[in-house]
Amino acid sequence: DQQVKQNSPSLSVQEGRISILNCDYTNSMFDYFLWYKKYPAEGPTFLISISSIKDKNEDGRFTVFLNKSAKHLSLHIVPSQPGDSAVYFCAASARSSNTGKLIFGQGTTLQVKP
Amino acid sequence: DVKVTQSSRYLVKRTGEKVFLECVQDMDHENMFWYRQDPGLGLRLIYFSYDVKMKEKGDIPEGYSVSREKKERFSLILESASTNQTSMYLCASSPETGGGTEAFFGQGTRLTVV
Repeated sequence: DQQVKQNSPSLSVQEGRISILNCDYTNSMFDYFLWYKKYPAEGPTFLISISSIKDKNEDGRFTVFLNKSAKHLSLHIVPSQPGDSAVYFCAASARSSNTGKLIFGQGTTLQVKP
Repeated sequence: DVKVTQSSRYLVKRTGEKVFLECVQDMDHENMFWYRQDPGLGLRLIYFSYDVKMKEKGDIPEGYSVSREKKERFSLILESASTNQTSMYLCASSPETGGGTEAFFGQGTRLTVV
């Protein structure tokens, strides 16, 4: 039972354009959401997060949007750069669990073409 | 800077061997996690620990066990390695904040079971 789903395995965009990565979740207890970036042969690195009390969070070129009613979040990267080419994972947690456990999606491989 | 260190980057083991994957974090984090990453399946939680000597099963604990004798160290044990345990193994840690925080990952161990 996949509680966090990234339905697009891959995405290809041109340098300078917007990249939009999507994520859906099913567990209504989730109230904190994160995006991680992963290069091959490296561990994931934290990118940006959002709490369920917000619907948007920005950090430089990265913006995460949360639609709680649709149980959907998205990561926007503007403008996209070749160095953004990586696998992106969304993750969710329930703060009530007190364990910090993160549930991850399947990942989306982003390719940014020069 | 938080540092999570996994003892090996690459390992090759034989079927039936007992395998130990070690992870050490230097930020006094309460929570530690073991995930495995497989193409198309994302990061799946094997086991986690929210305190010394405390452990809980994740989503795919079968064939694995863990040990946390000291706060900074979390070991994953493959009791009898099988080829379907060939994977990238990722250790992570996070502080105890009631959830709502990022986890920090190690660089990963690519395990091949032959």
